[in-house]
Amino acid sequence: NAGVTQTPKFQVLKTGQSMTLQCAQDMNHNSMYWYRQDPGMGLRLIYYSASEGTTDKGEVPNGYNVSRLNKREFSLRLESAAPSQTSVYFCASSSFPASGNTIYFGEGSWLTVV
Amino acid sequence: SQKIEQNSEALNIQEGKTATLTCNYTNYSPAYLQWYRQDPGRGPVFLLLIRENEKEKRKERLKVTFDTTLKQSLFHITASQPADSATYLCALGVMDTGRRALTFGSGTRLQVQP
Repeated sequence: NAGVTQTPKFQVLKTGQSMTLQCAQDMNHNSMYWYRQDPGMGLRLIYYSASEGTTDKGEVPNGYNVSRLNKREFSLRLESAAPSQTSVYFCASSSFPASGNTIYFGEGSWLTVV
Repeated sequence: SQKIEQNSEALNIQEGKTATLTCNYTNYSPAYLQWYRQDPGRGPVFLLLIRENEKEKRKERLKVTFDTTLKQSLFHITASQPADSATYLCALGVMDTGRRALTFGSGTRLQVQP
């Protein structure tokens, strides 16, 4: 099993460009997440999807959109990238988070906006 | 405001000693708390979960305590090894239908010297 797979690993964007980060999990999990990680800030939740067909805003949703394409896939889109969106992005998934189940993370996507 | 605090300064210890990392939180009522390990350039990996009605949890050389009165969790690594060098993140989970995702601290970097 691959677990959580996210692409691309690295990306450089110019301000104003758009892009989509792709994420897929093969663990049959209900819930999926997008976090960003910045130095000294920890992991901050951007959006999450508690189950297929639902999405909800997290702590820092501005400038992002998400799509839960099916149970396996959860994509994150930057419509008009800004330098403040330079960060490391992690996709994650879990079975039933409200009961304390483990969250499994992907390997991260390093995004630089110039 | 809600806050999770982990010591932002790196913890340096000698091989064989016990490492103790602290996670303090304010204005949260977590149902459970998790600890994750993160290596440079990688995604976080789950280590241990402790629930609000549990005082202590052990797994091999790892021990976690959870004091809901002090609003603090301690994470111990006994007989530490250089391979334990990493950043350790604590994360709080709440039984709130409006928020089904973990909230993370910014992590503490542990360096074990041989």
